[in-house]
Amino acid sequence: NFMLTQPPSVSESPGKTVTISCTGSSGNIDSSYVQWYQQRPGSAPTTVIYGENQRPSGVPDRFSGSIDSSSNSASLTISGLKTEDEADYYCQSYDGTTVVFGGGTKLTVL
Amino acid sequence: EVQLVESGGGLVQPGGSLRLSCAASGFAISSKYMTWVRQAPGKGLEWVSILYAGGITYYADAVKGRFTISRDNSNNTLYLQMNSLRAGDTAVYYCARDFPPGGVYGMDVWGQGTTVTVSS
Repeated sequence: NFMLTQPPSVSESPGKTVTISCTGSSGNIDSSYVQWYQQRPGSAPTTVIYGENQRPSGVPDRFSGSIDSSSNSASLTISGLKTEDEADYYCQSYDGTTVVFGGGTKLTVL
Repeated sequence: EVQLVESGGGLVQPGGSLRLSCAASGFAISSKYMTWVRQAPGKGLEWVSILYAGGITYYADAVKGRFTISRDNSNNTLYLQMNSLRAGDTAVYYCARDFPPGGVYGMDVWGQGTTVTVSS
């Protein structure tokens, strides 16, 4: 079964840039789009990146997504970090008709 | 306003059943792909099931044969019938709407979640 692996946690200082990786277990990660969701404690997830690096309305352009086919991985980059960006982030893609989530990464902004 | 509101969660004994509801407003669920996602306490997101606009359904292996996703177009409500519940099904259950066309761009609208606890 296709799996997505994320680092359990990352941390960075306000104003800096952080990148969260999402590595596919097999195949080509670019065969389906990779989405990214933000989840703050006690809240439902919200989408920050979908499709080919698209941002829903209201998501600042500090958030961007990319694919690196050579490493079979996707990345979420957040620039100009703010304390409000502190949250769990999940990548998500598809394995045929199955929806696959990464294990999540806890971003600490300190 | 586009909104999803889940209900029906609660405490149930192992082996029991529960039906979750997800009332949609601001759009017609009959024209969208709709998904159930769950999150066990302190854990990550886990996909449960998807219902295509055309009526096709798919399930995660962990719930296949025990859970059934369905919808009532007249009430604009999505359901998740959960049978033979196990302790491992304990989680917050979210319903979500897919970005159009569905099954490609993930979920764009999420409900607030309903909590299911399976325990004796």
